[in-house]
Amino acid sequence: SQKIEQNSEALNIQEGKTATLTCNYTNYSPAYLQWYRQDPGRGPVFLLLIRENEKEKRKERLKVTFDTTLKQSLFHITASQPADSATYLCALAQTGRRALTFGSGTRLQVQP
Amino acid sequence: DAGVIQSPRHEVTEMGQEVTLRCKPISGHDYLFWYRQTMMRGLELLIYFNNNVPIDDSGMPEDRFSAKMPNASFSTLKIQPSEPRDSAVYFCASSFRTSGGNEQFFGPGTRLTVL
Repeated sequence: SQKIEQNSEALNIQEGKTATLTCNYTNYSPAYLQWYRQDPGRGPVFLLLIRENEKEKRKERLKVTFDTTLKQSLFHITASQPADSATYLCALAQTGRRALTFGSGTRLQVQP
Repeated sequence: DAGVIQSPRHEVTEMGQEVTLRCKPISGHDYLFWYRQTMMRGLELLIYFNNNVPIDDSGMPEDRFSAKMPNASFSTLKIQPSEPRDSAVYFCASSFRTSGGNEQFFGPGTRLTVL
């Protein structure tokens, strides 16, 4: 069956360190993968998209990698800040489909 | 642009009542998505529309759920009759077709509680 797995345990790190979140998937052939941020009581907000033929994408302090052989994406936040504390969701779109399937999310807590 | 607008923000109803959730997508977007989020099941796609036409409703849990999009600026999700297990946060999202992928813009959600 198809699965998208994110670490369900919260990730606690110190301010200034790099946070690394993992998204693993099985039985998907994703055309692209997206990462979203969700704050309590709010809707998800798009952060980054990476396509199947791309290995890495960067945006300011954010970096996403995509390994279709390992079926894994890593999401990095460098020089993390307490304001980065939120839940981060990965989402996949199968080739030819517009619909996204979301992982369950990983909660990040950045300690000052 | 005001972003995706959803109403109501909170809804408390009793089991058996009809519930209607409303969504106004971002102007110019041609895709509209309805999601449901719970602690147990995460964020699940219920249905999505392209140019007001339902494309995939395989996520709609059962016949009690129905969704319509009468025009490009309005969509409804109706639950009739509602049950306690329908309690969740319902999100509407919209996007504009691009060649590389569809960044989705989410509304603030409607928190539904069915007693």
